[in-house]
Amino acid sequence: QQQVKQSPQSLIVQKGGISIINCAYENTAFDYFPWYQQFPGKGPALLIAIRPDVSEKKEGRFTISFNKSAKQFSLHIMDSQPGDSATYFCAASPSSNTGKLIFGQGTTLQVKP
Amino acid sequence: GAVVSQHPSWVICKSGTSVKIECRSLDFQATTMFWYRQFPKQSLMLMATSNEGSKATYEQGVEKDKFLINHASLTLSTLTVTSAHPEDSSFYICSARDVQNYGYTFGSGTRLTVV
Repeated sequence: QQQVKQSPQSLIVQKGGISIINCAYENTAFDYFPWYQQFPGKGPALLIAIRPDVSEKKEGRFTISFNKSAKQFSLHIMDSQPGDSATYFCAASPSSNTGKLIFGQGTTLQVKP
Repeated sequence: GAVVSQHPSWVICKSGTSVKIECRSLDFQATTMFWYRQFPKQSLMLMATSNEGSKATYEQGVEKDKFLINHASLTLSTLTVTSAHPEDSSFYICSARDVQNYGYTFGSGTRLTVV
């Protein structure tokens, strides 16, 4: 119930292409779904987040698509750049004040020039 | 935006000694902070949830006597790895919950190496 499943484990995309990473969750109490970007030796940095009352959110080249009925959400990176090469984590948490953030397994993205 | 400062960024210690890691929320009050451990090429594993002024809640399998957590103020939480051993070597990351903005901000992490 607490799991967040993320795929693929790794992804190679050509520069300018679209990177797509998918996540699925089970706990219907989750109501906050962020995506984080992590570079080696650094802490995760928030990219974009969504609540279940909207089906899509876009910020620059990053878009979250959310399917509440399927309990799935995905990250799309448009016009992928070599600087986007990093590890991406989806996560989910319930809305309580002490709600834990549960992470997916991570996706290592490599954008080839 | 919300900033969380974590120190030190890396530390090397001898086996059997203790190491303290600090996590500070710089521009917001964090009633709840979280401590994670991350092994190479793996996801973040939640170790414990730290609430200001009360005892931390540890995840199953995490030794609370080895990983001492103190959250004495609304802006500071500390993780002390006691009697460290080489198997405790890892990347430790803290996170603070900004209740007003409903976000989780992460520190930059601490690389602990026990020799």
